[in-house]
Amino acid sequence: SYELTQPPSVSVSPGQTASITCSGDKLGDKYACWYQQKPGQSPVLVIYQDTKRPSGIPERFSGSNSGNTATLTISGTQVMDEAVYYCQAWDSSSYVFGTGTKVTVL
Amino acid sequence: EVQLVESGGGVVRPGGSLRLSCTASGFSFDDFAMSWVRQAPGKGLEWVSGINWNDASTGYADSVKGRFIISRDNAKNSLFLQMNSLRAEDTALYYCAREGGGSSSNQAFDVWGQGTMVTVSS
Repeated sequence: SYELTQPPSVSVSPGQTASITCSGDKLGDKYACWYQQKPGQSPVLVIYQDTKRPSGIPERFSGSNSGNTATLTISGTQVMDEAVYYCQAWDSSSYVFGTGTKVTVL
Repeated sequence: EVQLVESGGGVVRPGGSLRLSCTASGFSFDDFAMSWVRQAPGKGLEWVSGINWNDASTGYADSVKGRFIISRDNAKNSLFLQMNSLRAEDTALYYCAREGGGSSSNQAFDVWGQGTMVTVSS
């Protein structure tokens, strides 16, 4: 079955740039999306179709996808961005989520 | 306001059954594919099952195939998940989620409910 691998954790200072990777076989041939999940809350879609931001998502969130890696970039990271981030893609009639990355802003 | 509200969770013994419901409001329910996604305590997200807009196509994760059945009633703006032969590893918070893009799915879940907890324990 298809797997998406993310680093368990990423640390970033306020105002700096955080990059979260998501690796999967030929992931660049699929659409990748990203979710933010804060403790006790439901996931929120922050990037879809590799690079698109849903309405209401700040411009500091951006995405890319090429080769075997999709990347979520948070520019000018704010304390409120501290959360777990999941990537997700569609493969062989199933949706697959990444393992999740805890982003700590300190 | 676009909203999804799940219900039907609870505590059930191994081998038992449970039926989850999700009621949609604020959008044209029959224009969108829908899915169930679960999250075990302290763990990541796992897609469970999905159904297209007119009930003609369904899909299941290998972990639930043959035990769970997804269905929908567009007249009642409702999504369902019939869960049979439940196991301890099915214990999780079950989310209802809308697949964005309408008839041209963008393969991302743009609206989520608050979840309903299912606990399988003897």
